[in-house]
Amino acid sequence: EPEVTQTPSHQVTQMGQEVILRCVPISNHLYFYWYRQILGQKVEFLVSFYNNEISEKSEIFDDQFSVERPDGSNFTLKIRSTKLEDSAMYFCASPQGYGYTFGSGTRLTVV
Amino acid sequence: GIQVEQSPPDLILQEGANSTLRCNFSDSVNNLQWFHQNPWGQLINLFYIPSGTKQNGRLSATTVATERYSLLYISSSQTTDSGVYFCAAYTDKLIFGTGTRLQVFP
Repeated sequence: EPEVTQTPSHQVTQMGQEVILRCVPISNHLYFYWYRQILGQKVEFLVSFYNNEISEKSEIFDDQFSVERPDGSNFTLKIRSTKLEDSAMYFCASPQGYGYTFGSGTRLTVV
Repeated sequence: GIQVEQSPPDLILQEGANSTLRCNFSDSVNNLQWFHQNPWGQLINLFYIPSGTKQNGRLSATTVATERYSLLYISSSQTTDSGVYFCAAYTDKLIFGTGTRLQVFP
């Protein structure tokens, strides 16, 4: 099965710092998604990205979040000024066949 | 928006036992997926099953779209089956259920 690659696998950052999470989706897919999972909770939708534009965002995705496609092969999720409650696992996902394939996730710890 | 509920929330089994996990969704969906989240946090695709029944080894899944539920069957459970099982319903995006945490003991 084609892979979705995320880096870094784990990042520790101080409150107030900016972080950038990276993802390389399955090639040639125009749709792309970011999800978040706070420890012990369910996986929540953050934002969908279609053809270089945000197509939908959740209420979690406030002004401190942004997504970009800096080049043709990867996507980034930026959190401008991290808060303690941003500590979570962040997943990116690509459509694959009739379903979705998720990356292995970035565990973000804000201290 | 659509609501996705799973039961039971927790399940403890001895190795070799069978189990059934349930996923209820509140509205019509375009597809439904089952995932296994392993102890390292990775989400592993198990099934894409908008309707009908599929089997993969010891695992099988059935979705009855008209009644808005899906079932995941695990037979002869092994310790490696431990983790959290999520169903996720797709409308215009995947909406995840609340999860079932499975612990299998030797």
